[in-house]
Amino acid sequence: DAGVIQSPRHEVTEMGQEVTLRCKPISGHDYLFWYRQTMMRGLELLIYFNNNVPIDDSGMPEDRFSAKMPNASFSTLKIQPSEPRDSAVYFCASSPPLGTGLFNEQFFGPGTRLTVL
Amino acid sequence: GENVEQHPSTLSVQEGDSAVIKCTYSDSASNYFPWYKQELGKRPQLIIDIRSNVGEKKDQRIAVTLNKTAKHFSLHITETQPEDSAVYFCAASMYGGGSYIPTFGRGTSLIVHP
Repeated sequence: DAGVIQSPRHEVTEMGQEVTLRCKPISGHDYLFWYRQTMMRGLELLIYFNNNVPIDDSGMPEDRFSAKMPNASFSTLKIQPSEPRDSAVYFCASSPPLGTGLFNEQFFGPGTRLTVL
Repeated sequence: GENVEQHPSTLSVQEGDSAVIKCTYSDSASNYFPWYKQELGKRPQLIIDIRSNVGEKKDQRIAVTLNKTAKHFSLHITETQPEDSAVYFCAASMYGGGSYIPTFGRGTSLIVHP
């Protein structure tokens, strides 16, 4: 398996533009997580899905952020409009169902480095 | 919700020394404590974990200890090597929504000088 795949790896955009980050989880994993990493706030959980259904979005900072998971192999995180303070590395992670022996290890993607000018 | 404090934020040691990173958590319902290592420019990866029914776990040069009463847990790295240089994240997880959802600490940047 190729692991969790994220695209793009780097994104530079201007304030006010829409940004869409993409994630493909590991096949067979039924949990998907979106994180934001900054020096100031560390690794923050934004939202997570189970079987494509959003379970907890309490970490989403504002209404400008939205996430979808239309099927088991694809998720998006959208920021509209983007602001300079959204600059961060965004990680997607997936984890297998309970009982598979891996006790919810989170497998992270390579991240998307977002810069909003 | 859960709150995880991690210290120190930066740790500098000489090769061969030991390194200790400490974390505290607030919610006694947390019962799974993974540690992730993130090398520069790379993704976080699980290196070791401990469950609440265990007080200590070792894997070669790394070990984790857990004190449920005091709500703190620690990562110990012995005989440090330059390749141990990375950011280490602790997490406290509790069961919710059908899985164990982690709350991460802010991270510790470990620098091992050759």
